[in-house]
Amino acid sequence: SQTIHQWPATLVQPVGSPLSLECTVEGTSNPNLYWYRQAAGRGLQLLFYSVGIGQISSEVPQNLSASRPQDRQFILSSKKLLLSDSGFYLCAFDSIRYGYTFGSGTRLTVV
Amino acid sequence: SQQGEEDPQALSIQEGENATMNCSYKTSINNLQWYRQNSGRGLVHLILIRSNEREKHSGRLRVTLDTSKKSSSLLITASRAADTASYFCGMSGTYKYIFGTGTRLKVLA
Repeated sequence: SQTIHQWPATLVQPVGSPLSLECTVEGTSNPNLYWYRQAAGRGLQLLFYSVGIGQISSEVPQNLSASRPQDRQFILSSKKLLLSDSGFYLCAFDSIRYGYTFGSGTRLTVV
Repeated sequence: SQQGEEDPQALSIQEGENATMNCSYKTSINNLQWYRQNSGRGLVHLILIRSNEREKHSGRLRVTLDTSKKSSSLLITASRAADTASYFCGMSGTYKYIFGTGTRLKVLA
């Protein structure tokens, strides 16, 4: 079966500190991978998507970056966090048969 | 805008009433899905409707899709307090997946 793992579940980081959120998938190969953010009270916003190893597309200019070092690993990073980076981050992948599968999300609070 | 739009943004109803949420989009899609998100948690997939389908049912959920109008609706019948959550539509296109802005549903007991 297809599963997706995302960690950590919650994270509190000071302004200016680095960030690394990791997402891995199982049960599928060469998936399209996505990072989303949900700011408080708003809908989901697509941040990055990847159709293959090393292929990253950015949807919005921001303080974040993404990397895909392996087929089933997707990493969201920042060198220096801003207060505005606080939010709920979701990793996801899609499959033809099952549509979308989401990770459980990471709630990031920048203080 | 990369996002679909949903209305209403917020909906408050009494337990037992029906709740209807609408989603509109701008691009061509392969399929459309509806999700539920309880506060602070990940998304739960509710139902998928393909672009060649017009209506689907799942328990108390009914989804319609009108590709000519680029819109979809989610109907929750006989709502319960436990249905209180945010509901999102999501649309699959070429290499991209976009979400609606969400509807916050509150069901009062």
